[in-house]
Amino acid sequence: EVQLVESGGGLVQPGRSLRLSCGVSGFTFRDYAMHWVRQAPGKGPEWVSGISWSGGRMGYADSVKGRFTISRDNAKNSLYLQMNSLRAEDTALYYCVKEGSHDCSPTGCYSHLWGRGTLVTVSS
Amino acid sequence: DIQMTQSPSTLSASIGDRVTITCRASQSISTWLAWYQQKPGKAPKVLIYKASNLESGVPSRFSGSESGTEFTLTISSLQPDDFATYYCQQYNSYPFTFGQGTKLEIK
Repeated sequence: EVQLVESGGGLVQPGRSLRLSCGVSGFTFRDYAMHWVRQAPGKGPEWVSGISWSGGRMGYADSVKGRFTISRDNAKNSLYLQMNSLRAEDTALYYCVKEGSHDCSPTGCYSHLWGRGTLVTVSS
Repeated sequence: DIQMTQSPSTLSASIGDRVTITCRASQSISTWLAWYQQKPGKAPKVLIYKASNLESGVPSRFSGSESGTEFTLTISSLQPDDFATYYCQQYNSYPFTFGQGTKLEIK
């Protein structure tokens, strides 16, 4: 069974940092690109960042570019999101997402499987 | 960045109705579009990928189509389980972007 388990969320003050982690099992992690998608309370999903299977290609939403860094450790079957200079508008449920493997664009693929999310609250 | 404009934002319909949700891309995305269904307290679930390909396990009453930069999700005969919020997402180029969502309500 495929599992994606996020951790590292919590309450943090504006301007501080937080590192999210996602541990996966049930599939060959190193074969898939991965993403972080967030969803603020009562809002739709917002794609945050994606990383290729090798870690050599990354992408970011404009809203987090320069503040967030995505990374992965294929040996540990883990995905990470380093979040710096956090703002109130970063408050959201952060999902770890496994890409699909069928009919993918040259850039990447649709969001196939999602974790349950970890809640990040930025507030003083 | 590519903007995805989804309509309507809310849709009221009855069991058995045929409903259509539309998503328009601000520029060409070929057919690199997916549709998701989300229920309260749950993560989104993919229904359709590459504009018209049905994800394994998704009922055949769901279908997707494309005409240029306009994409459509159709539910042929609404079932009680279909009342949820639906989102489109382009995966043509970074940043991948979602539409604003369509909440499908019972009339």
